[in-house]
Amino acid sequence: DSGVTQTPKHLITATGQRVTLRCSPRSGDLSVYWYQQSLDQGLQFLIQYYNGEERAKGNILERFSAQQFPDLHSELNLSSLELGDSALYFCASSSTEGQGSRYTFGSGTRLTVV
Amino acid sequence: GNSVTQMEGPVTLSEEAFLTINCTYTATGYPSLFWYVQYPGEGLQLLLKATKADDKGSNKGFEATYRKETTSFHLEKGSVQVSDSAVYFCALRGSSNTGKLIFGQGTTLQVKP
Repeated sequence: DSGVTQTPKHLITATGQRVTLRCSPRSGDLSVYWYQQSLDQGLQFLIQYYNGEERAKGNILERFSAQQFPDLHSELNLSSLELGDSALYFCASSSTEGQGSRYTFGSGTRLTVV
Repeated sequence: GNSVTQMEGPVTLSEEAFLTINCTYTATGYPSLFWYVQYPGEGLQLLLKATKADDKGSNKGFEATYRKETTSFHLEKGSVQVSDSAVYFCALRGSSNTGKLIFGQGTTLQVKP
């Protein structure tokens, strides 16, 4: 157990629907990162939050949004889902944003859009 | 912008063979470099890291040296095992304060008995 908890582990939904992925960071970590792993795009950074504030955005679609709550858990919302959104979504956390801080990944949520 | 390029896979080796997976990077400043491993059906695990030039990261028999002059961080292992079969990702973390990781495309390693 890495200490980063992602739920659900698997999700199957239809095109056009909306889903929410949840991430609980490792205890004491303030920063949460979301990544998407797909066959054609590889592992891509989506978005980062630090202590409730958005800190960096990567290749995140406008249909996707995220937030980090006061208890530091984060949710990634994916709407108007398309077949191409099928992927493994990882969350990671770190204690700070610096290069030296420990970075821990969750086991991911596998999203299948049918 | 920052980027990471890994050698194409899949790589297929016999048990006890020598492994090299090439990784080169483009980055401004002084990034930290990482190798992550993903076993089938699992998440990403940190294999090793190096935070400055000439540092050597090592773990479980794997090694990689941060070479600033060639902007490389090649992964090596002297004798692979069947249990090393996995996908290996090279990654960098830039010297900015956001902390995000930039990954290479991953290299699948298959080790046959």
